[in-house]
Amino acid sequence: NAGVTQTPKFQVLKTGQSMTLQCAQDMNHNSMYWYRQDPGMGLRLIYYSASEGTTDKGEVPNGYNVSRLNKREFSLRLESAAPSQTSVYFCAIEGGRRFLVNEQFFGPGTRLTVL
Amino acid sequence: DQQVKQNSPSLSVQEGRISILNCDYTNSMFDYFLWYKKYPAEGPTFLISISSIKDKNEDGRFTVFLNKSAKHLSLHIVPSQPGDSAVYFCAASHFQGGSEKLVFGKGTKLTVNP
Repeated sequence: NAGVTQTPKFQVLKTGQSMTLQCAQDMNHNSMYWYRQDPGMGLRLIYYSASEGTTDKGEVPNGYNVSRLNKREFSLRLESAAPSQTSVYFCAIEGGRRFLVNEQFFGPGTRLTVL
Repeated sequence: DQQVKQNSPSLSVQEGRISILNCDYTNSMFDYFLWYKKYPAEGPTFLISISSIKDKNEDGRFTVFLNKSAKHLSLHIVPSQPGDSAVYFCAASHFQGGSEKLVFGKGTKLTVNP
């Protein structure tokens, strides 16, 4: 997971609380992504950012906001956490090109529990 | 509607034998297909991919086959090693909104027994 850092690693929230998940990259790549992974559900795209200052919705954006203020950082905010948002959250960046496709590098994840 | 399907939640094989993981997709617009490997408490890591214009791609012990008419791809690991035990995700890629977006399957947990 070199090149993509996520903070915090773990977090427990109460219903209604807010928090921001942070993601930072040191690889100077344009596109960044936020996914959630739930048991038996694979990874689902929440939001993505093609470049600094731009963001767009993915498959499951409801209940989340994002911010891409600079090329290096992409944050995910839960304004009013709900138990349904209990999940593992992964940040990813569009990385190097292998086999003619831009592979995505993933961070180590943030495990969030909402009580 | 699930666009990428991995119908086997788990697979168990003996060390040294072949592991075959399968994946089906429904969207003809996907242009690349990728396999990711994930260990517990870590992020997924890219393993291998294949373009929709090819039918086979190899990288060491890993080979991905694509059958476009059947909308089916498979990952072969030969020979399987205990360190290959992980969850494998199939993903399909399409370029949209200035970025390459991935759609993931639900994953197959591979266990390689010594």
